[in-house]
Amino acid sequence: GAGVSQSPSNKVTEKGKDVELRCDPISGHTALYWYRQSLGQGLEFLIYFQGNSAPDKSGLPSDRFSAERTGGSVSTLTIQRTQQEDSAVYLCASSLVASASSYNEQFFGPGTRLTVL
Amino acid sequence: AQKVTQAQTEISVVEKEDVTLDCVYETRDTTYYLFWYKQPPSGELVFLIRRNSFDEQNEISGRYSWNFQKSTSSFNFTITASQVVDSAVYFCALRTNTGFQKLVFGTGTRLLVSP
Repeated sequence: GAGVSQSPSNKVTEKGKDVELRCDPISGHTALYWYRQSLGQGLEFLIYFQGNSAPDKSGLPSDRFSAERTGGSVSTLTIQRTQQEDSAVYLCASSLVASASSYNEQFFGPGTRLTVL
Repeated sequence: AQKVTQAQTEISVVEKEDVTLDCVYETRDTTYYLFWYKQPPSGELVFLIRRNSFDEQNEISGRYSWNFQKSTSSFNFTITASQVVDSAVYFCALRTNTGFQKLVFGTGTRLLVSP
C-alpha cells in the first residue's frame, strides 16, 4: 500500500515569506507526527496529532510555526515569515493509534527540504 | 527528561571492517523503547530495530547486531564486515511511556565505508 507522502519534495523561499508543507499519512493511521532535521542536528519533534484529540504542540520552536490536520487525514505545517534558521528537512510520520501502553511503528515520509534564502 | 547521545559524529572505515556505533540514552521511565534508523543518501528513514526496556537480549540480524545494556544505558549497534552500501547516517532514538507522543532522536552518526 501507499506510504506516507509529502509535498513539495523541495521548497526554496525568500526570507519573510510564508510556506506550507503537506503530509498525506497512511490511510487508517490516526496518529501523525512532524519532525525537523536541521543540518548537524538529529530529528527534533515538532507536533503530534491523534484523532480528534488536542494536538501536542510542545515541540514547535516559535509561534511562527503552526500545523493543522483536516478531517483526521492530511496535515499542513505552516511557517510564517520564514527565517534562514528554518532551513531544514521537515519529516512527517504516521502510525496506528499511539498510546502509553503499546507501541505502533511510526512510518516516515521522504521529507520536504526547505531552503530559506 | 529524555535524551539520546550519539557521541560519534562521523566514522570512516574500509570495507570488511567491523564498526560499532554508540548510543547512550537518558530517561527516568522504567518502560521505554529504543530504536535504530538508517538514513541513506536518498534521505528516507529506514527502520532497523526496536527493543523494549524489558528485553535486554542482544539481537543479531545478518551482519547487524545490537547490544542493549540497561546498566550503562547504552544500545550500541555493530555492523560486521561493513560494505559500501552501509554508508549512511544512523540514528538512535528513544520513546518513553510518559512521552509516547514522540521519538527522541540522537544527532546521528555518519558512517562512510570506503571500498
